[in-house]
Amino acid sequence: DTAVSQTPKYLVTQMGNDKSIKCEQNLGHDTMYWYKQDSKKFLKIMFSYNNKELIINETVPNRFSPKSPDKAHLNLHINSLELGDSAVYFCASSQDPRIPYEQYFGPGTRLTVT
Amino acid sequence: DAKTTQPPSMDCAEGRAANLPCNHSTISGNEYVYWYRQIHSQGPQYIIHGLKNNETNEMASLIITEDRKSSTLILPHATLRDTAVYYCIVRAHSGGSNYKLTFGKGTLLTVNP
Repeated sequence: DTAVSQTPKYLVTQMGNDKSIKCEQNLGHDTMYWYKQDSKKFLKIMFSYNNKELIINETVPNRFSPKSPDKAHLNLHINSLELGDSAVYFCASSQDPRIPYEQYFGPGTRLTVT
Repeated sequence: DAKTTQPPSMDCAEGRAANLPCNHSTISGNEYVYWYRQIHSQGPQYIIHGLKNNETNEMASLIITEDRKSSTLILPHATLRDTAVYYCIVRAHSGGSNYKLTFGKGTLLTVNP
């Protein structure tokens, strides 16, 4: 059983389009995260939700909107995609947001904007 | 959060111990040292964490100096599958602003046959 899963694994789209990435965790965790890893391999947090409530919102363009329908899901919707949005997006989860050492990451979604 | 410094790359022979250093000279008393790794094209994976004492689990050992200004992650018998980027992260254990992990550049460990 996959602990943290993401769909799709690869996403190729054109500038200006709107796309969504889905994330699901079956670990029973309360907290979920979205990270972005750019071409230089820097991994940066974007958002975090705890019990469906937003607790971290880094300096991310408003075109990015996370949605958490329930504790097990955290989806990322991106409007008006730009070339600079091309990156690998990782979803993660943890049992307790105060204990960051136990974050479990998904396999990543490679987004390519052309 | 305290800043960490790691060598950009290291090599290790298969079957030998891999010792990955990390400097964190500005670490404060309530900050833990965490290690994650990222194998190519995969998501990061938690390895181990510690505060003062040395720690060991099924994956690795963590040796923290007495002054806590540096630490070493030890993979006792490196395999080819241990080739990855290893990240040393310093975080406070709790606190409202400390929900997130801040990844640096890490050390690319290459295990050679």
